[in-house]
Amino acid sequence: TQLLEQSPQFLSIQEGENLTVYCNSSSVFSSLQWYRQEPGEGPVLLVTVVTGGEVKKLKRLTFQFGDARKDSSLHITAAQPGDTGLYLCAGDNDSWGKFQFGAGTQVVVTP
Amino acid sequence: KAGVTQTPRYLIKTRGQQVTLSCSPISGHRSVSWYQQTPGQGLQFLFEYFSETQRNKGNFPGRFSGRQFSNSRSEMNVSTLELGDSALYLCASSVGGLGQSPWEQYFGPGTRLTVT
Repeated sequence: TQLLEQSPQFLSIQEGENLTVYCNSSSVFSSLQWYRQEPGEGPVLLVTVVTGGEVKKLKRLTFQFGDARKDSSLHITAAQPGDTGLYLCAGDNDSWGKFQFGAGTQVVVTP
Repeated sequence: KAGVTQTPRYLIKTRGQQVTLSCSPISGHRSVSWYQQTPGQGLQFLFEYFSETQRNKGNFPGRFSGRQFSNSRSEMNVSTLELGDSALYLCASSVGGLGQSPWEQYFGPGTRLTVT
């Protein structure tokens, strides 16, 4: 059973479209990170959110942390083929005792 | 600053053998965590080392073990390999360990282990 649920599992869109992926848990996060992973490589850290209600922007990527710190979303505006990858959320929580990853959302952006 | 390095990048072993993987963290980082990634299970936490001590352990059998040296470099060992151990093994380093949130991890490229 995944402690962090990511949705959707797979997303295929055309270049220029927008997309949103979600990360949810029944537990409260101390902090939450989003990563992007390309085939054959390790995940690359995109952002860390800590405060409930926090919104962070990284160029065309917007990250939102829920007010209750139980959920997060990643929104990509005007997606480009370079945005293709596996998007992973990960969080830490005092009661888990370790870092937990979601199963990931595979995003494919076609030209 | 150099990133996290892992060696080897690819490895092919047969069932019953053992394997040792190596990870060098970012300079100044004292925490190293190991993960197993498979298509079916995703990223699964193996263990975390901080200042040469295992701080946390995931739900893996005792065949999986690790250690950390005084220079923060870490090794992971898998004994009596099984077909199901085929996976991408990733290590990640961070400045501190759990309890120092936000706990930002930086991953290496991974070691692709194939067990035949």
